[in-house]
Amino acid sequence: SQKIEQNSEALNIQEGKTATLTCNYTNYSPAYLQWYRQDPGRGPVFLLLIRENEKEKRKERLKVTFDTTLKQSLFHITASQPADSATYLCALDIGGGSQGNLIFGKGTKLSVKP
Amino acid sequence: KAGVTQTPRYLIKTRGQQVTLSCSPISGHRSVSWYQQTPGQGLQFLFEYFSETQRNKGNFPGRFSGRQFSNSRSEMNVSTLELGDSALYLCASSPLGQGARFGGYTFGSGTRLTVV
Repeated sequence: SQKIEQNSEALNIQEGKTATLTCNYTNYSPAYLQWYRQDPGRGPVFLLLIRENEKEKRKERLKVTFDTTLKQSLFHITASQPADSATYLCALDIGGGSQGNLIFGKGTKLSVKP
Repeated sequence: KAGVTQTPRYLIKTRGQQVTLSCSPISGHRSVSWYQQTPGQGLQFLFEYFSETQRNKGNFPGRFSGRQFSNSRSEMNVSTLELGDSALYLCASSPLGQGARFGGYTFGSGTRLTVV
């Protein structure tokens, strides 16, 4: 069955630095992969979607890459701020198309220190 | 526009009881998916409803069930509660159930269920 691994349970960085989070998956390559942010006691919030034919996607200070050869996605936050502290989840589709059901990694808890 | 609304926010139940959780999706969204989140297992897919029909089901026992009404509101039910059912239950809505393909799901804030 398809599995997702997010390499670090926790990542601590200094304000202003770039945070890089890793998401690896096994078995077949999904057509698309998503990243979410989750704050304590709240539901995940969608950040970015990247398709298999896209190498890179950007949104403000966020950048996502997708390497189907390595079966890996990297999520970068540049010029990180304490407000970026949260758990970040990657998710990929296993529905085989229309259903769009996602499986999620367990997340990486990012702490940005001032 | 209003987001995804889940009620109640918190619940404490006793082992063996049953519980019903409610989810109101974003207006116009026809797909509602349910997830269970625990510290050990992370987010796990329970089931998806689209236009009142269950379209997909995750790997959970039959004690977990759901339904969707004609106004797209959805409920999930857990019968014969076990201690291990303690979790944050999240629902997510998308316009056509293709959230993963064309954009992200919108999640509610969840219902925190504690079984004692």
